[in-house]
Amino acid sequence: GQQLNQSPQSMFIQEGEDVSMNCTSSSIFNTWLWYKQDPGEGPVLLIALYKAGELTSNGRLTAQFGITRKDSFLNISASIPSDVGIYFCAGQLSAGNNRKLIWGLGTSLAVNP
Amino acid sequence: DVKVTQSSRYLVKRTGEKVFLECVQDMDHENMFWYRQDPGLGLRLIYFSYDVKMKEKGDIPEGYSVSREKKERFSLILESASTNQTSMYLCASRGLDSSLRGSPLHFGNGTRLTVT
Repeated sequence: GQQLNQSPQSMFIQEGEDVSMNCTSSSIFNTWLWYKQDPGEGPVLLIALYKAGELTSNGRLTAQFGITRKDSFLNISASIPSDVGIYFCAGQLSAGNNRKLIWGLGTSLAVNP
Repeated sequence: DVKVTQSSRYLVKRTGEKVFLECVQDMDHENMFWYRQDPGLGLRLIYFSYDVKMKEKGDIPEGYSVSREKKERFSLILESASTNQTSMYLCASRGLDSSLRGSPLHFGNGTRLTVT
C-alpha cells in the first residue's frame, strides 16, 4: 500500500531541545493527522489539520498543513522525557466516510534527561 | 472519552492454531479497523469494516479474516497462525463524520501476538 515519507526515522535529543519532523507525499491530502505512540500503548491523536496552510498548536506541539497539501510538519518545543515515543503522521486522500488513511513509518524520539 | 478495548495484551500461540483477537469500542462508532505494526514497517491495514456485517480488505489481508456481528465488536481471525504473523495488532474505531473532515481514529492498546 501507499505510504508517506516521514523523516527523520529516529532522533536522540537532550531534554530542553526543540524537535522537528515532517511527512511528504506525492498525493494531495485534505486531512493530516499526527499521532504519538507511547511504549506499549496504542497511538493517540495529537493534532488534526484540515486546511492547507493551517497551523495548529497543542501545548508544546505545533503542526502545520503544507500549502501544497502534500506535506505536514510537527514541531515540539522544549522537549521533556515524557515526549519519548513514536510519532506517526497520517494523511487522508478523499472525502466521504469510506476514506482511507495513509501512514508514515514513524519517527522514534528518545530524550536524554 | 472513546474507549477501544482489546481483550488480550499478550498472546502466545502455536503454528497452525486458529487465533481470535477481539476488539470492543464503547462509542457506537460505525467504522472499525485492524492494523498490524512491525518495526520498520509502520502501521499496515489488514481489514476494516464500515458497518455491521460489512468488511473490506486492507493492504495485507492474506492469512486473516474478520467478523463484525455487532456494531461494538470487531474480531480478527487467524485461520491457521504462522510465525510470520508474530506482530503487534492494533484495533481502531472511528465515528461517521457529517462534514468532509477526517474523523480521527481511536486506537486500543494493542495485542502482542507471538506465534511459535
